[in-house]
Amino acid sequence: NAGVTQTPKFQVLKTGQSMTLQCAQDMNHNSMYWYRQDPGMGLRLIYYSASEGTTDKGEVPNGYNVSRLNKREFSLRLESAAPSQTSVYFCASTGQGDLMEAFFGQGTRLTVV
Amino acid sequence: GEDVEQSLFLSVREGDSSVINCTYTDSSSTYLYWYKQEPGAGLQLLTYIFSNMDMKQDQRLTVLLNKKDKHLSLRIADTQTGDSAIYFCAERRGGSYIPTFGRGTSLIVHP
Repeated sequence: NAGVTQTPKFQVLKTGQSMTLQCAQDMNHNSMYWYRQDPGMGLRLIYYSASEGTTDKGEVPNGYNVSRLNKREFSLRLESAAPSQTSVYFCASTGQGDLMEAFFGQGTRLTVV
Repeated sequence: GEDVEQSLFLSVREGDSSVINCTYTDSSSTYLYWYKQEPGAGLQLLTYIFSNMDMKQDQRLTVLLNKKDKHLSLRIADTQTGDSAIYFCAERRGGSYIPTFGRGTSLIVHP
């Protein structure tokens, strides 16, 4: 059982380049999330998706777009990367039970130069 | 202000107890969680407490919840070097499925 899988693990981009971070979960979870983690800032929610076909902005959505391709996959796109987007990006999903434990991917370390 | 607040760093000696504190603001929070992040990895659920409980114990871990003060703590007994990690407090408010995380406390364990 793979859980939440993110690709790539590392990426270096030049300012202005675009890229898509991929995320897939195999736990049949409805809800999926993208967070960024910066030193001293903790985890900040970028976008989330309550279910297939719906997406909503989180705390820091500017400069990002998302696609909930199907129930399994939730991608994050940077259209024109900026140095301020240098961060570690985590995808997560939550199950349907009372506890709603969040499961995280291993993260993508992105550097924009 | 922040929804969930934690101190950023805690340093302890191996074998001592560690206590990581957290305050939250939403009294409707149903579940409160502690997640652990080891270097280079994603977060993993360490333990949790339901809002109608005051305490939960799980081996070396003790979670205390003071609902009146909206204060949550995680005590790790006999702290080991393998406990060095970042610990995140998180809440899930009533009616919401979205977890809200604190900034994380970096626990450093000295031999």
